[in-house]
Amino acid sequence: SQKIEQNSEALNIQEGKTATLTCNYTNYSPAYLQWYRQDPGRGPVFLLLIRENEKEKRKERLKVTFDTTLKQSLFHITASQPADSATYLCALDLRDDKIIFGKGTRLHILP
Amino acid sequence: KAGVTQTPRYLIKTRGQQVTLSCSPISGHRSVSWYQQTPGQGLQFLFEYFSETQRNKGNFPGRFSGRQFSNSRSEMNVSTLELGDSALYLCASSSRRDRGVYNEQFFGPGTRLTVL
Repeated sequence: SQKIEQNSEALNIQEGKTATLTCNYTNYSPAYLQWYRQDPGRGPVFLLLIRENEKEKRKERLKVTFDTTLKQSLFHITASQPADSATYLCALDLRDDKIIFGKGTRLHILP
Repeated sequence: KAGVTQTPRYLIKTRGQQVTLSCSPISGHRSVSWYQQTPGQGLQFLFEYFSETQRNKGNFPGRFSGRQFSNSRSEMNVSTLELGDSALYLCASSSRRDRGVYNEQFFGPGTRLTVL
């Protein structure tokens, strides 16, 4: 069956450390993978998009990798700050014109 | 540039009623998508409208419908409400034109629907 899973419901990371979030999928062949941030009571905010032929993408303190063989994307936040605390969603942009979101990982950066 | 706006922000209805939610996309965006978000199921795609036509549809019953106007504003309607329809309904607009590539989506703040 088709699944998209984000490693854990919640993740606690000490301030200043690197937070790594995982997005795994099975039986999909996405053309793109996107990461969004969602704060309580708000809609998701786009962070990064990575294409199937790209291995890595960076934006400031954010880094995304995409391994189509492992069917996995890793999302890293370096030098994490309490303001990075939020829910992070991955989304698969599928070839059949559909987009599928993971349920998200709640990240808590502890001061 | 103004962001995506959704009205109303909160809504309480009873079972059997119907509801209409409204979304105004970012100026210039012709693609508007609707999503339902619940704690159990996460963010689920309802449908996408582009130039007043439904271009894509998720796996939701026919009670969920929508439309888009010539100014790209979109409405979503849910008829015969059920308790399980309680959720955050999010609208997202995109500059996407061609099918097959979603691009970056800009989400509104959502409408919190509670069905009693």
